Formats: sequence, structure tokens, C-alpha cells
Amino acid sequence: AQTVTQSQPEMSVQEAETVTLSCTYDTSESDYYLFWYKQPPSRQMILVIRQEAYKQQNATENRFSVNFQKAAKSFSLKISDSQLGDAAMYFCAFGGSQGNLIFGKGTKLSVKP
Amino acid sequence: GAGVSQSPSNKVTEKGKDVELRCDPISGHTALYWYRQSLGQGLEFLIYFQGNSAPDKSGLPSDRFSAERTGGSVSTLTIQRTQQEDSAVYLCASSQTLTPSTDTQYFGPGTRLTVL
Repeated sequence: AQTVTQSQPEMSVQEAETVTLSCTYDTSESDYYLFWYKQPPSRQMILVIRQEAYKQQNATENRFSVNFQKAAKSFSLKISDSQLGDAAMYFCAFGGSQGNLIFGKGTKLSVKP
Repeated sequence: GAGVSQSPSNKVTEKGKDVELRCDPISGHTALYWYRQSLGQGLEFLIYFQGNSAPDKSGLPSDRFSAERTGGSVSTLTIQRTQQEDSAVYLCASSQTLTPSTDTQYFGPGTRLTVL
């Protein structure tokens, strides 16, 4: 069975600085997708970035980028130039052959002004 | 266009009562998912519907939980004889294609269920 682990329950970053959120996963599948979702206090889950496992190039979306290490089964999220609006829960998720997503327990990110 | 909508936003009920939670997916999306998020936890998969195929019910925690999707659109999650441990946020998501694990899932705002 697939598992997703986020080892940092809480993280804090100064506004305009860079922060990296960690995620590791376990799977025996070779084709899969990885996702980072953001959940602000409004509860709405918002897709931040996605990575196809067959792609070696790391995905980027504006200030958000990932460091995908397939052999190590690691998928970290880097947020550059952090903004107050980035404060939220961040969930790493695995999407494989089973259809549904498998989520980690989340990292609560605080941004200090 | 309109996103995924869920109703009610909040629901308070007494232990032992039945509740129905509703999800309206994005128009044209063939896959629909229900997840449960307990306090301080990640999302736990409950059930998903994919086109006209039989739903994958492998995540339902007990036979008190059931869901249906009418006409390939709106879905209702029903919890019978609610227990206090059912208190959680119930999130619905939909995705466009028949390969839901590889396509983006768009989430609704959730229903916060409180069982007294």
C-alpha cells in the first residue's frame, strides 16, 4: 500500500524568505503523480503544483517549485519570496493506479511579517 | 466556470441521527470523490465514482456510510446513526477524465459535521 509522510507538522518562515516543505512516499508503482495542495482556513483545497513521475524535470509554478527525487521517493516543495497569503496547511498527495489520492498529514506553514 | 459546491457548509446533529451531505461537481467531470478530514489529520479517502462504473467503496469506514451519484452529476453522502467519531470535515472533489489518479482533482469547500 502507498503511504505519504510529511515529517514537519509545523514550519515558520519570514516574509520574503524561502522555505522548503518535506514529503516522502512509498510505492511499488512506476507510473504515478505527486501533488502539493494548499488548504487555507477557508478549508478550500487548492492545487499548488503537480509532478509526473516519468518526468525528470522538476515542476515549477511561479514562486513554487519541487525537488523530485524518484529514487529516494522524496518530493519537497520550495516556496520562494514567501508572502503572508502563503500561510496555510500544505498537503502532499500521491496519485497512482488506485484512483483516489493518498494524502500526508500536512504541514502548517506560518509566515511572519 | 463554477467550481465544486457542497451543502450544507456546517451541520450539527445529535448522536444517532442520520445526515445527508451534498456535492455538486464541476459540470462535465466524470469522476467524483469523497474524503474525510478529521481534526489535525490529513484527508482520508471514502468513496469515488467514475463515469457509469460501480463506485469504489473501499474507503468507507462502516456500513453506516453510503453514497450515491444521480445522473452522473450530484452526489449525496449519507451517514446513518451518527456517532461522535464521525465529526469531521467532509470534502468532495471532482476531476475531468476517466483516469482520476492522473488528472487534477478540484475540491469543494467541505461540510463541517459536528455530532453532539
